[in-house]
Amino acid sequence: QLLEQSPQFLSIQEGENLTVYCNSSSVFSSLQWYRQEPGEGPVLLIALYKAGELTSNGRLTAQFGITRKDSFLNISASIPSDVGIYFCAGQLKFNGNQFYFGTGTSLTVIP
Amino acid sequence: DGGITQSPKYLFRKEGQNVTLSCEQNLNHDAMYWYRQDPGQGLRLIYYSQIVNDFQKGDIAEGYSVSREKKESFPLTVTSAQKNPTAFYLCASKPLAGGYNEQFFGPGTRLTVL
Repeated sequence: QLLEQSPQFLSIQEGENLTVYCNSSSVFSSLQWYRQEPGEGPVLLIALYKAGELTSNGRLTAQFGITRKDSFLNISASIPSDVGIYFCAGQLKFNGNQFYFGTGTSLTVIP
Repeated sequence: DGGITQSPKYLFRKEGQNVTLSCEQNLNHDAMYWYRQDPGQGLRLIYYSQIVNDFQKGDIAEGYSVSREKKESFPLTVTSAQKNPTAFYLCASKPLAGGYNEQFFGPGTRLTVL
């Protein structure tokens, strides 16, 4: 698996913060974070393009590692509608045509 | 409304039959992709196309075929050669211009082979 995510499963109380990690031994030219609800297609949350880039989208914050091999997604003040599977995905530096997806993190938020 | 449509949402077929999954987009995107997702797993690339009449194999192309006769359409055929076709299939598209590396996904088709 080119992109490893951790943790695989995450169960938290409503209002708590959480962080999902994405790691690889390969260098990526860009990296994205998606959320997928059961039976639906993934929806883009955040896209990262520059090494070290830190980007926010509401309660979501993501950063692209300096080496372009890793990233994290942080969700603050979680709410029940945050449930779903979170994926990181990226394009390799030498092959921008293909996207590689991480293994996914399944999030449960307990009200 | 611009977006990607996949039809049908659920599809049932008998073993040994070919089946074609539809994917249409009105986003004027150049690139289109087909992914397969199995329970509890990530997305794996089947085929992708950057321009009309051209497409490339992804990591798991065996047992699948595609065509790209129109920019808006990228149908996927699951052939009888695919040994384990039951899965959730996702279509995506992306613009090539503008430097954006963000894919937009359709709602998916769940294929069950009986």
